[in-house]
Amino acid sequence: DAGVIQSPRHEVTEMGQEVTLRCKPISGHNSLFWYRQTMMRGLELLIYFNNNVPIDDSGMPEDRFSAKMPNASFSTLKIQPSEPRDSAVYFCASSSPGKSGYEQYFGPGTRLTVT
Amino acid sequence: AQSVAQPEDQVNVAEGNPLTVKCTYSVSGNPYLFWYVQYPNRGLQFLLKYITGDNLVKGSYGFEAEFNKSQTSFHLKKPSALVSDSALYFCAVSPGGGNKLTFGTGTQLKVEL
Repeated sequence: DAGVIQSPRHEVTEMGQEVTLRCKPISGHNSLFWYRQTMMRGLELLIYFNNNVPIDDSGMPEDRFSAKMPNASFSTLKIQPSEPRDSAVYFCASSSPGKSGYEQYFGPGTRLTVT
Repeated sequence: AQSVAQPEDQVNVAEGNPLTVKCTYSVSGNPYLFWYVQYPNRGLQFLLKYITGDNLVKGSYGFEAEFNKSQTSFHLKKPSALVSDSALYFCAVSPGGGNKLTFGTGTQLKVEL
């Protein structure tokens, strides 16, 4: 299996620009998670989906952040407009609760720098 | 609400010595417990889990963890540390059957020659 795939791996953008991060979960996994990692705040859950439906978005920082999962093999996290404080590593993870277990499998992350 | 505490920001150990990375948790109901490892510039990698059954759980790369219900702990252990074990380790918990993991703040393990 290819594992969780994220793109791009690195993104540098200017404040005010729109940023779109992409994720392809492991085939057959029906839960998908978006996390953000920074030195100051550690690992934060932003939002997660079950069967393509958003279940908990309480971690989304503000309205500038939005996430979609149009089908079982693709999800996006969008920031519009971006700000320097959004600079972080964004991880996508997937799992298959009840089938292969409750553990989540993480992608390699997208390092976002907003200048 | 569930929570995880990793009381040590950093653990230093000599290669060949046993290592322990501590984790305590708080959760309603039966806990599902996990350990992950993160190498520099990489995603988190699953090491092992406790769902039910034997309190001693064995995982990848020779790591094991012991579930202690009375002490609400799930410490990660390895009998003989390697320099290549140096990384950031995260403990995580979810309520039984719950999908949402709560992660600790991480413990940096440094294994020296």
